[in-house]
Amino acid sequence: QVQLVESGGGVVQPGRSLRLSCAASGFTFSTYGMHWVRQAPGKGLEWVAVISYDGSNKYYTDSVKGRFTISRDNSKNTLYLQMNSLRVEDTAVYYCAKEGVLAAPNWFDPWGQGTLVTVSS
Amino acid sequence: DIQMTQSPSSLSASVGDRVTITCRASQSISNYLNWYQQKPEKAPKLLIYAALSLQSGVPSRFSGSGSGTDFTLTISSLQPEDFATYYCQQSYSTPFTFGPGTKVDIK
Repeated sequence: QVQLVESGGGVVQPGRSLRLSCAASGFTFSTYGMHWVRQAPGKGLEWVAVISYDGSNKYYTDSVKGRFTISRDNSKNTLYLQMNSLRVEDTAVYYCAKEGVLAAPNWFDPWGQGTLVTVSS
Repeated sequence: DIQMTQSPSSLSASVGDRVTITCRASQSISNYLNWYQQKPEKAPKLLIYAALSLQSGVPSRFSGSGSGTDFTLTISSLQPEDFATYYCQQSYSTPFTFGPGTKVDIK
């Protein structure tokens, strides 16, 4: 079955960097767009970034533009989120999610279990 | 950016009740609207996609309707496992915004 497993979360000081990974299995990873979505403690869901199936197109929410980079390695079935210049407000559980289909309209299914990033001095 | 609103923000209901949650987009999004259920400490789960299509494996008591700017999620007969937070999300354009959520708890 389709499975997404995030890793790389942890506690980091403001201004530092962290790289999240999402290992995918159970589907042809190289044919689906992938997303990162985050959820601050006790808050709602916030979409962060998307990357197309081949990595040629990437889009970000404004608050992370210029600081975060989404990427993928289709040979390793792995999605990444490089997070630089981290801020306290980036503290959240980060989920990776697979696009439902290969065209629009689209949706997120399934989601990984999430990895917690805490930015604190 | 497209803003998503939901109402109510929370509700208390009993097992067997019919529950309706409303989602509104700040501009027309056609049928590019999805619904997710999230239980505490768990990842969100897709319930409804493209406004009215039931995801495989989701009980038929869940249904979605609407198009354009106004959408509805209905639970026809609330079950104990349905107590959770529900989010709508638009996939019309980036950023793919979510509604603030509706928490459904036990009366």
